[in-house]
Amino acid sequence: SQELEQSPQSLIVQEGKNLTINCTSSKTLYGLYWYKQKYGEGLIFLMMLQKGGEEKSHEKITAKLDEKKQQSSLHITASQPSHAGIYLCGAALQLIFGTGTRLQVFP
Amino acid sequence: KAGVTQTPRYLIKTRGQQVTLSCSPISGHRSVSWYQQTPGQGLQFLFEYFSETQRNKGNFPGRFSGRQFSNSRSEMNVSTLELGDSALYLCASSLGVLAGVSSYEQYFGPGTRLTVT
Repeated sequence: SQELEQSPQSLIVQEGKNLTINCTSSKTLYGLYWYKQKYGEGLIFLMMLQKGGEEKSHEKITAKLDEKKQQSSLHITASQPSHAGIYLCGAALQLIFGTGTRLQVFP
Repeated sequence: KAGVTQTPRYLIKTRGQQVTLSCSPISGHRSVSWYQQTPGQGLQFLFEYFSETQRNKGNFPGRFSGRQFSNSRSEMNVSTLELGDSALYLCASSLGVLAGVSSYEQYFGPGTRLTVT
């Protein structure tokens, strides 16, 4: 069965710093979602990537899909405390999610 | 447009009891999926319903069941509760299939936190 591995598992950064979260699939990706979750709450949809090489941005968050590497990266520029939470990647169609990356941003 | 709603938000049950959780999808969404989230296992897919039919099923025992009504609202039932069933149960809705094109962009509800004692 397919698995999505995220790295790092946990990240603590100072406000204003840039950071990257990776999501690697054990099998072919047919599309990938990124979500953010505040502890104990539902997931908030960030963006969906459908084609290899596709890159999308929303505010200070950019995500890219590398089909050949079966990998996606999520990059946050100039992080803010509001970016704190758990970031999850999800494989489209396969209905599976990554292990999650817990992000903390301190002032 | 109202988001996905789940009721109840919190629930405490005893081992051996059964529980029913409810999910109302976004208006117009025909697909409802259920997930179990625990610290140890992460977010795991339970099942998906589309137009009242179970379309996909995860790897959970038969104690976990669900159904979807004609108005797309869905319920999930867990019988003979075990301590390990304590988790956050999330429901997500999506369009499902629109004009032959699958749309799995899912919108999640706030979840129901189930504690089994």
